Amino acid sequence: GIQVEQSPPDLILQEGANSTLRCNFSDSVNNLQWFHQNPWGQLINLFYIPSGTKQNGRLSATTVATERYSLLYISSSQTTDSGVYFCAVERYSGAGSYQLTFGKGTKLSVIP
Amino acid sequence: KAGVTQTPRYLIKTRGQQVTLSCSPISGHRSVSWYQQTPGQGLQFLFEYFSETQRNKGNFPGRFSGRQFSNSRSEMNVSTLELGDSALYLCASSLGSGGASGEQFFGPGTRLTVL
Repeated sequence: GIQVEQSPPDLILQEGANSTLRCNFSDSVNNLQWFHQNPWGQLINLFYIPSGTKQNGRLSATTVATERYSLLYISSSQTTDSGVYFCAVERYSGAGSYQLTFGKGTKLSVIP
Repeated sequence: KAGVTQTPRYLIKTRGQQVTLSCSPISGHRSVSWYQQTPGQGLQFLFEYFSETQRNKGNFPGRFSGRQFSNSRSEMNVSTLELGDSALYLCASSLGSGGASGEQFFGPGTRLTVL
């Protein structure tokens, strides 16, 4: 099956710093999503980005499908940004069905 | 628009018992997928339902099953619980039309503990 690798696995930032999270995938995909999992386990949608660049406030994402990677940028980080960030790729798995394959996540800790 | 809801939020069971978890998707969404999250294995796909039909299944034993009702609500069942089934079970809904799931939206999860 498709492999999804995220880096770094752990990241500690001072409040106000910027960061870049990376997601590499081993095969072509139909779509890609970035999620933030809060301490209570809720997965919050950040971006649905099969290709190109999107921005939402202090967050932006870029996916280069031809080179099989995506980047998530966090600027001016805040303590509320802490949590685990997941990249998930969607790939056709037959019988009219798509499924998400997740990376192992990047655990971000933002300290005051 | 209400988000994805899951019940119950927390559950404690003992080995050998069975459990049923419920998921109500976003209104208008017809695809419901289930995922298991554990510290060791991460997030793993269990199965996906669309219009009451299972379209896809992950690599889990037959003890894990599910179904979807005509109103798109879904349930998953785990029989003969094992300690290793302790996990956060997440449900996701999407439009799922035309064979493409599209953007998936997750519920808050059900945290299952097996003693």
